[in-house]
Amino acid sequence: DTAVSQTPKYLVTQMGNDKSIKCEQNLGHDTMYWYKQDSKKFLKIMFSYNNKELIINETVPNRFSPKSPDKAHLNLHINSLELGDSAVYFCASSQETIANYGYTFGSGTRLTVV
Amino acid sequence: EDQVTQSPEALRLQEGESSSLNCSYTVSGLRGLFWYRQDPGKGPEFLFTLYSAGEEKEKERLKATLTKKESFLHITAPKPEDSATYLCAVQARSSASKIIFGSGTRLSIRP
Repeated sequence: DTAVSQTPKYLVTQMGNDKSIKCEQNLGHDTMYWYKQDSKKFLKIMFSYNNKELIINETVPNRFSPKSPDKAHLNLHINSLELGDSAVYFCASSQETIANYGYTFGSGTRLTVV
Repeated sequence: EDQVTQSPEALRLQEGESSSLNCSYTVSGLRGLFWYRQDPGKGPEFLFTLYSAGEEKEKERLKATLTKKESFLHITAPKPEDSATYLCAVQARSSASKIIFGSGTRLSIRP
């Protein structure tokens, strides 16, 4: 099926650990994103890549590092996890001109830091 | 600063009871306004894009409208399967690579 897929779906880890979330899209889109959804359901953009090039880097701690090996993949690595990093992380993709079709989102990764 | 505010935060309706959700926005040059539906444990699902004041789009029981300051999502004769969180988002001309989301309206339809 054509989709944006994220792994893992759930991630429970201790403070101070390093973890990665993987994202892949097979829609042929040029642009991929990472969004964070907090407990109040606000979706906030973290990063955006277009054809493997970083184009958006919002005010995010440098413990968060995205990596795009090719335009179909965008991974998120988080160092030294903190309690406040607990949230749902969504990967999304879009055609370069998104105004027509919006984003296609993955199903999310629920990260819990204990 | 670009901003999106949605109201109400939560809305409970009886099946068949029509209503509207509001999205107020402040953006420096609107390129597009989006509506998404989000079910629990899932990612947002795209519904509509609106570009200019006066525009309307419809899909089944949903109709989205746009003015220069706000958008409405009208739901006519809703069914329980319409229960979800509805998210509004805007895309500014100045930062076309990202869209900014509101916090959503949780809609619950009782049978």
